[in-house]
Amino acid sequence: GQQVMQIPQYQHVQEGEDFTTYCNSSTTLSNIQWYKQRPGGHPVFLIQLVKSGEVKKQKRLTFQFGEAKKNSSLHITATQTTDVGTYFCAGGSGNTGKLIFGQGTTLQVKP
Amino acid sequence: DAGVIQSPRHEVTEMGQEVTLRCKPISGHNSLFWYRQTMMRGLELLIYFNNNVPIDDSGMPEDRFSAKMPNASFSTLKIQPSEPRDSAVYFCASSLHRGGYEQYFGPGTRLTVT
Repeated sequence: GQQVMQIPQYQHVQEGEDFTTYCNSSTTLSNIQWYKQRPGGHPVFLIQLVKSGEVKKQKRLTFQFGEAKKNSSLHITATQTTDVGTYFCAGGSGNTGKLIFGQGTTLQVKP
Repeated sequence: DAGVIQSPRHEVTEMGQEVTLRCKPISGHNSLFWYRQTMMRGLELLIYFNNNVPIDDSGMPEDRFSAKMPNASFSTLKIQPSEPRDSAVYFCASSLHRGGYEQYFGPGTRLTVT
């Protein structure tokens, strides 16, 4: 079945350093969504990418969708302690609404 | 606006007991999803409904698990009988449309089966 792999599993950075997490799907996706889950919290939607090669920015966060619509990345510039949490990518296929979540990347930021 | 509401927030039960988790989706949303999150397996989709109809239950682990959505504002996930390996955080999420729309997660129910 469809699988979404995400790396790395964990990342520790010093505050101010950049951070990137990568997501790869075994199949072509119709869209990819990114979520953030704070420790003890629930996943919160960040953004959705739909078009091949699409790039979107939210302040210090940059999201990319690959040309083949099988991979994606999230890059955070100059991390802050508020960026701590687990970042999930979630791939959608067709028009079913079903999302397959990656394992997530847990980001720790040292002040 | 009220978000997705789940109850109870915490549940501790003994092996063999029946457990019922409840979810109220955001008003107007027509898709509802049940997920289970563990350290080992991450976030797994168990089942989802569209317009109260179960669309895909391929993620339901065993016959001990069942889910219902009797109306647009209420869903339950039942485990009978419960086992220690069912211990996890169970999230309910809802979305406005079945395709490509963001999902809004509830706060989750932390289930511990002893």
